[in-house]
Amino acid sequence: KNEVEQSPQNLTAQEGEFITINCSYSVGISALHWLQQHPGGGIVSLFMLSSGKKKHGRLIATINIQEKHSSLHITASHPRDSAVYICAVALNYGGSQGNLIFGKGTKLSVKP
Amino acid sequence: DSGVTQTPKHLITATGQRVTLRCSPRSGDLSVYWYQQSLDQGLQFLIQYYNGEERAKGNILERFSAQQFPDLHSELNLSSLELGDSALYFCASSVAGQPYQPQHFGDGTRLSIL
Repeated sequence: KNEVEQSPQNLTAQEGEFITINCSYSVGISALHWLQQHPGGGIVSLFMLSSGKKKHGRLIATINIQEKHSSLHITASHPRDSAVYICAVALNYGGSQGNLIFGKGTKLSVKP
Repeated sequence: DSGVTQTPKHLITATGQRVTLRCSPRSGDLSVYWYQQSLDQGLQFLIQYYNGEERAKGNILERFSAQQFPDLHSELNLSSLELGDSALYFCASSVAGQPYQPQHFGDGTRLSIL
């Protein structure tokens, strides 16, 4: 079983729709990261959170530490949001130095 | 722009060869991480350095080695290359390499083994 599970694997939406991507993890963590990878391959860090909720523009990330679950929401989706969204966790145990464990990603396609 | 620079962007070579990938961290960041992204394994942690010293090791093959220099740039050396080493290699940096600090990713080096 993977330590970080994302759903759905693939998501197609119409422009303007509200989008939710889910991430569940099975280990104790110090922080959870949401990353965006465009077709060109580069990775952009969207959020790092260890509790509560963060918002940046049309993106919102939430985390529930007790339930070991995080969600990434995109409001008023746009074709330029089309990318792979990756959830990653930094472990919380002795010897962990911040290296990330990654989910397999959610491929989002937003149609105009 | 993350401030992390990776060179080269693309590398094409043959089996059995050796290559060196280079990473310059964001200004002020002391820690560098190397990650490998392959089609079958996804993103995996390889190795971490902090201020010139190795701090953590992940799924790094013995054929691979890395170091961080006094000016904080890092190099990942891949030798005796095999077809399965074809992947995107990312470098990321953070201020002090702690789990609760954000990481800034470079654009990656795409390695193709023919």
